[in-house]
Amino acid sequence: QSVLTQPPSLSAAPGQKVTISCSGSSSNIGNHYVSWYQRLPGTAPKLLIYDNNKRPSGIPDRFSGSKSGTSATLGITGLQTGDEADYYCGTWDNSLSAWVFGGGTKLTVL
Amino acid sequence: QVQLQESGPGLVKPSETLSLTCTVSGSSISNNYYWGWIRQPPGKGLEWIGSIYHSGKTYYNPSLKSRLTISVDPSKNQFSLMLRSVTAADTAMYCCARIVVVPGATGWFDPWGQGTPVTVSS
Repeated sequence: QSVLTQPPSLSAAPGQKVTISCSGSSSNIGNHYVSWYQRLPGTAPKLLIYDNNKRPSGIPDRFSGSKSGTSATLGITGLQTGDEADYYCGTWDNSLSAWVFGGGTKLTVL
Repeated sequence: QVQLQESGPGLVKPSETLSLTCTVSGSSISNNYYWGWIRQPPGKGLEWIGSIYHSGKTYYNPSLKSRLTISVDPSKNQFSLMLRSVTAADTAMYCCARIVVVPGATGWFDPWGQGTPVTVSS
């Protein structure tokens, strides 16, 4: 079981908006910044969001992040078929003294 | 552009040692970053294995610490993973990544290597 909880799968139509939740606790999300990663099939994971809501250079503004309390959310607008991927949240956990990740959310764009 | 590439055997026998190397290009491993290993067992989420600074200072996942050694070779711009006494539960895709940590923030993993699959089986 992953320390951070994500929905295993989501689906939405092209052009729509989707939000992926990431639930944790005060020992992780509640006291640390969250990052989000996208893993397209057969490729290396890619950083999408860091420090809860910042986008690295080259990441389109269709991708956004937010955090409230012990939960974080990744938002994707204007869905494209190329957004079909696995998405993971991650942060540090004080109690475990470890980096922790969510179990991943498989996004299908149909 | 920083790139990371994992290398090592894809098949390891139970009770033996899993050894992987991550080669960094486009950046000196001695720059002010941490370098880490992450794995993903089939059908499961990501698990942080451990991290190392170029000075050799290591940070290990407590659940793996007793079997784990991570080392760095600045002369080759590489860092390595050794996981001892492996079992089938260690079968996973193993990735290396640079960890960016800045004052006042938590940090993040960027970029990642593509990953290398490792199967533990006799």
